[in-house]
Amino acid sequence: AIQMTQSPSSLSASVGDSVTITCRASQGIRNDLVWYQQKPGKAPKVLIFAASSLQTGVPSRFSGSGSGTEFTLTISSLQPEDFATYYCLQDHNMPWTFGQGTKVDI
Amino acid sequence: EVQLVESGGGLIQPGGSLRLSCAASGFIFSSYEMNWVRQAPGKGLEWISYISASSSTVYYADSVKGRFTISRDNAKNSLYLQMNSLRAEDTAVYYCARDRPAGGPEYWGQGTLVTVSS
Repeated sequence: AIQMTQSPSSLSASVGDSVTITCRASQGIRNDLVWYQQKPGKAPKVLIFAASSLQTGVPSRFSGSGSGTEFTLTISSLQPEDFATYYCLQDHNMPWTFGQGTKVDI
Repeated sequence: EVQLVESGGGLIQPGGSLRLSCAASGFIFSSYEMNWVRQAPGKGLEWISYISASSSTVYYADSVKGRFTISRDNAKNSLYLQMNSLRAEDTAVYYCARDRPAGGPEYWGQGTLVTVSS
């Protein structure tokens, strides 16, 4: 199975900051990567699919980049509602595999 | 509007069985691949099972292979997960999730909690 290594596991930031989260795949996955946001007690929500395509309705301050084995999620100007946990997922090969998650807090 | 509503969770003793259901609406259920994903308390997301639109292909995570069975009834717009030989480590919120075309989970239900404890 493809392993997804996500870093950092947590970070502290302030409103208005720019933050970057990284996911590394154990083998090349082209651009088959999804980023999710999850708030406590809620289901995950898609932010980015195909590594860099913004899901409909997601604010443009979220962006994704990368291909092959290294990917990043950037939040350009953190808003109060962005404090949450973020996960990457590779949808290149079964089994789908998630990164360990990154908790973004104040 | 796509809606996925899970049910069937609860408290079950180790070794017991439980069947989860997911009722789908707002899309043509028979056209989409579906998954079950779980999240143990305070932990990350774990994909556990996939089923193709026609049920011809299924996959399982190693952690549940041989114990869990995924199925669907396209006439009833429903997805199921039969869970047998449950263990304490199966305690989690279980989500059903619809795949994007040729991609991973896009729409998620609200989840149902399964607690395995004596």
